[in-house]
Amino acid sequence: KAGVTQTPRYLIKTRGQQVTLSCSPISGHRSVSWYQQTPGQGLQFLFEYFSETQRNKGNFPGRFSGRQFSNSRSEMNVSTLELGDSALYLCASQSSYSYEQYFGPGTRLTVT
Amino acid sequence: TQLLEQSPQFLSIQEGENLTVYCNSSSVFSSLQWYRQEPGEGPVLLVTVVTGGEVKKLKRLTFQFGDARKDSSLHITAAQPGDTGLYLCAGLLSNDYKLSFGAGTTVTVRA
Repeated sequence: KAGVTQTPRYLIKTRGQQVTLSCSPISGHRSVSWYQQTPGQGLQFLFEYFSETQRNKGNFPGRFSGRQFSNSRSEMNVSTLELGDSALYLCASQSSYSYEQYFGPGTRLTVT
Repeated sequence: TQLLEQSPQFLSIQEGENLTVYCNSSSVFSSLQWYRQEPGEGPVLLVTVVTGGEVKKLKRLTFQFGDARKDSSLHITAAQPGDTGLYLCAGLLSNDYKLSFGAGTTVTVRA
């Protein structure tokens, strides 16, 4: 069974731009969660989607948004990028039968 | 403030030594998971514990869930360089859908 895939793996953007990251969960998994990981803050929860609906949301500004498609693939968007948005963005998929999460390799975003 | 406090933050040991990483909270969790993350990669799930007092072994790794389900520990016996990585604990509160992660313990095993 293929694992969680994320694209792109690396991204460099300029302040003020916007960015869209993509995540394909493990086949059959309907839940996708997004996290931001930085050296100073660790893993911070952004939001979770289940069957195309946002089920949970962390404490991030409205510049961070996401969506999930009918095939469970998910995208997250960050608008008006700030230097502090530089981080590793991880997505994790979860089956409907347990709370175990399976992470993708992440997208390394650098904002200059 | 982190819901889960991990200690120590950093650990550097020689190959063959033992180590223990702790994960503590004042909250009760319905389950707790341990992950290992290598640089540039996503965390990989090692184990899930759900019952107070539960002990699980994964080769040289031993995981324990506290009796009150508020804390957990990870013990590595005879550590090897391949054990190097960031160890993260994550807990699920009984009234929540999302995992809460600790800040992690960076383990370095020197050959």
